[in-house]
Amino acid sequence: KQEVTQIPAALSVPEGENLVLNCSFTDSAIYNLQWFRQDPGKGLTSLLLIQSSQREQTSGRLNASLDKSSGRSTLYIAASQPGDSATYLCAVNEGAQKLVFGQGTRLTINP
Amino acid sequence: ETGVTQSPTHLIKTRGQQVTLRCSSQSGHNTVSWYQQALGQGPQFIFQYYREEENGRGNFPPRFSGLQFPNYSSELNVNALELDDSALYLCASSFGRVAYGYTFGSGTRLTVV
Repeated sequence: KQEVTQIPAALSVPEGENLVLNCSFTDSAIYNLQWFRQDPGKGLTSLLLIQSSQREQTSGRLNASLDKSSGRSTLYIAASQPGDSATYLCAVNEGAQKLVFGQGTRLTINP
Repeated sequence: ETGVTQSPTHLIKTRGQQVTLRCSSQSGHNTVSWYQQALGQGPQFIFQYYREEENGRGNFPPRFSGLQFPNYSSELNVNALELDDSALYLCASSFGRVAYGYTFGSGTRLTVV
């Protein structure tokens, strides 16, 4: 059974810092991995999707990496801003109709 | 291109009642999935519909049921509501039986009292 873990559960940093969020999964037989952002009480906004054959994806200040063999993904946020404050969720797609989510990292960027 | 829309936004029901939540998928998508997200947790997969047929189900009891219509919109029905059913219900649409990526709606907040 696939399990997804995100560390840390919460993170608070001053504005302008670069930061890394971690995601690990127990079964490396994945189809792809997707990072989402969730604002309080809201739905999920897709940030980046990495196919199993890819090593990384970039969008603006965000960079996500995938090491399938070790069951790890990281989300790197450069030059953080207060508007980046949200919960960040990673989810793996095993190709079996569903996404398996981690519990998320709650990020606070302090001005 | 329209995104995924869910209705209603918020709902309060009494224990034992029945509820129907609705979802319109993104244009061009033919697969709809439903997730339950309890407070402080990651979303949990309820079930998925592909071209009007159930295409996978998570560990939820039969009182959670669904439908997908010819226009690929979908309904989630929950019978005999329990207090633990209070959660954010998320709908996601995608294309194909094995999705390249998922687009989520803003969710329906269900409170059972």
